[in-house]
Amino acid sequence: DGGITQSPKYLFRKEGQNVTLSCEQNLNHDAMYWYRQDPGQGLRLIYYSQIVNDFQKGDIAEGYSVSREKKESFPLTVTSAQKNPTAFYLCASSSIQEILNTEAFFGQGTRLTVV
Amino acid sequence: KQEVTQIPAALSVPEGENLVLNCSFTDSAIYNLQWFRQDPGKGLTSLLLIQSSQREQTSGRLNASLDKSSGRSTLYIAASQPGDSATYLCAVRPDDYKLSFGAGTTVTVRA
Repeated sequence: DGGITQSPKYLFRKEGQNVTLSCEQNLNHDAMYWYRQDPGQGLRLIYYSQIVNDFQKGDIAEGYSVSREKKESFPLTVTSAQKNPTAFYLCASSSIQEILNTEAFFGQGTRLTVV
Repeated sequence: KQEVTQIPAALSVPEGENLVLNCSFTDSAIYNLQWFRQDPGKGLTSLLLIQSSQREQTSGRLNASLDKSSGRSTLYIAASQPGDSATYLCAVRPDDYKLSFGAGTTVTVRA
């Protein structure tokens, strides 16, 4: 089945620890995105990438880092510099061809909790 | 900066009633608008995509309209069912490939 796979589903982080969230897609999409979702708020963009080995900061990139070494993979690292990391993290992908008809697809999310 | 607003934040209706969900955006320079459904603790499922040149899209009991000039979209769900209970989010795609999201409308359909 084509789709986006995020892992793990639940993740617990201790104070001062870096953790990495995985996102893999087999849709052959060029663009990949990371969003953060907090209760009662819309999704906020952390980072996005339109091509391998290139990525751009979104609206709330501080305390996060990403890499895009392969088209299929876009891992997100939540560093110890992120002071309030408890949230639901969503990965998405889309084609960048035919921009009018470009549809975004999402993974099932990773819930990160600081313990 | 594009701002997307969804009103109301929550809605409760009896089964069988039609649902009307609203989405407004501040900048009409968009490529398309997408409606999503999100169940608790889950990811987003795409429902409908409307290109900027289109006025509406339909899929089964769902119909979405777009008035780009006034910055509005409406999602209609006919003959609601308890299984329609979820949070519905709209998102617009501006010029630079990113999506801007509203906070969503949480719908409860009472049996």
